[in-house]
Amino acid sequence: EAEVAQSPRYKITEKSQAVAFWCDPISGHATLYWYRQILGQGPELLVQFQDESVVDDSQLPKDRFSAERLKGVDSTLKIQPAELGDSAMYLCASSPRTSGNNEQFFGPGTRLTVL
Amino acid sequence: DQQVKQNSPSLSVQEGRISILNCDYTNSMFDYFLWYKKYPAEGPTFLISISSIKDKNEDGRFTVFLNKSAKHLSLHIVPSQPGDSAVYFCAASESQGGSEKLVFGKGTKLTVNP
Repeated sequence: EAEVAQSPRYKITEKSQAVAFWCDPISGHATLYWYRQILGQGPELLVQFQDESVVDDSQLPKDRFSAERLKGVDSTLKIQPAELGDSAMYLCASSPRTSGNNEQFFGPGTRLTVL
Repeated sequence: DQQVKQNSPSLSVQEGRISILNCDYTNSMFDYFLWYKKYPAEGPTFLISISSIKDKNEDGRFTVFLNKSAKHLSLHIVPSQPGDSAVYFCAASESQGGSEKLVFGKGTKLTVNP
């Protein structure tokens, strides 16, 4: 069964350091999403790609966060410098170009802890 | 301003009984509503969805009801099983020709006791 892959699963870093997360969506899925889930909250969209283009990055803190999907397949999310408040679960999701119910398929996530 | 609200942080039910999880929304432009289930240290997994033009969708033990006039939906699980214990997220989307982001509620933690 096709799945969204993410790595690493867990990351511990000190504040002011740089961190990067990787996501490989389900093969053929044109749309890729990065969400952040703070403990006790629901996931919130950070950035959405359609192929290699950014569709929505209105909630991405662009002073420290960046995301790319250069070839329209896998994607990297970077934080530099990391702050204590960035501790959260970072979830990647993908969906096909057309979806009957707007379903998104989520990866296992990367749990980030900033010390 | 939260567009999707799940006002019950937790729910506890006995095995075999019905679980009812509730969700309210404010944006009348949402056209699909989805329920996701999440276990600790895993990503959310899709459970069931409903289009805004319907008022009920059923899949096995899971049924979702939509009341558009009240901007309210609910997920019914019958009968509840211990394996259903997880956090359930209500999500909504507004189709905008390719920008179908999901807006999530805060989740309800369901515990099914044997």
